[in-house]
Amino acid sequence: GDSVTQMEGPVTLSEEAFLTINCTYTATGYPSLFWYVQYPGEGLQLLLKATKADDKGSNKGFEATYRKETTSFHLEKGSVQVSDSAVYFCALTLSGYSTLTFGKGTMLLVSP
Amino acid sequence: DTEVTQTPKHLVMGMTNKKSLKCEQHMGHRAMYWYKQKAKKPPELMFVYSYEKLSINESVPSRFSPECPNSSLLNLHLHALQPEDSALYLCASSVLGGPMNTEAFFGQGTRLTVV
Repeated sequence: GDSVTQMEGPVTLSEEAFLTINCTYTATGYPSLFWYVQYPGEGLQLLLKATKADDKGSNKGFEATYRKETTSFHLEKGSVQVSDSAVYFCALTLSGYSTLTFGKGTMLLVSP
Repeated sequence: DTEVTQTPKHLVMGMTNKKSLKCEQHMGHRAMYWYKQKAKKPPELMFVYSYEKLSINESVPSRFSPECPNSSLLNLHLHALQPEDSALYLCASSVLGGPMNTEAFFGQGTRLTVV
């Protein structure tokens, strides 16, 4: 079946450090890929998306590139802030219903 | 307006109670979803509605009863729940159909505690 694997957390960084959260996927077709962020006590917010190979999604300084050859969609940010502390979920969808298959989530903790 | 609104934000209910969770969106989306999220876990799909009809039920126990009264509203009726049903319940909506798989928009969730 379809699946998403992301790196275990927590990832602990100092403010202004570079962030990478790895995400790889297994899918039978051509999925759309997403990064969602969940702040403490809140729902999920879409951070960025890519719908085909070589697409780059970007938002709020975060970027991720859809790499079909390595089945990856790694999340990067050049300089993290304390306010980026949250749980980040990599996800894919294949169906027309946009039902999401999530990775387990990676907690990011950024200290001042 | 890209909001999905869920009410209530918090709910405490006894095992013999009947309660309902509500979800509303005004983005014209014709697909709506219920997800369940336990602590430190990713969301798990429960139900999918398309054009107000139940399309997917992920083998959810009958003590959870979804309802889609119109294209903007989605309810989840709860009855005779167990303490292990305590979780964050998330509603989402999305465009249906088209050439690409589009994103789902999530509400803030209802934090349910069963006592």
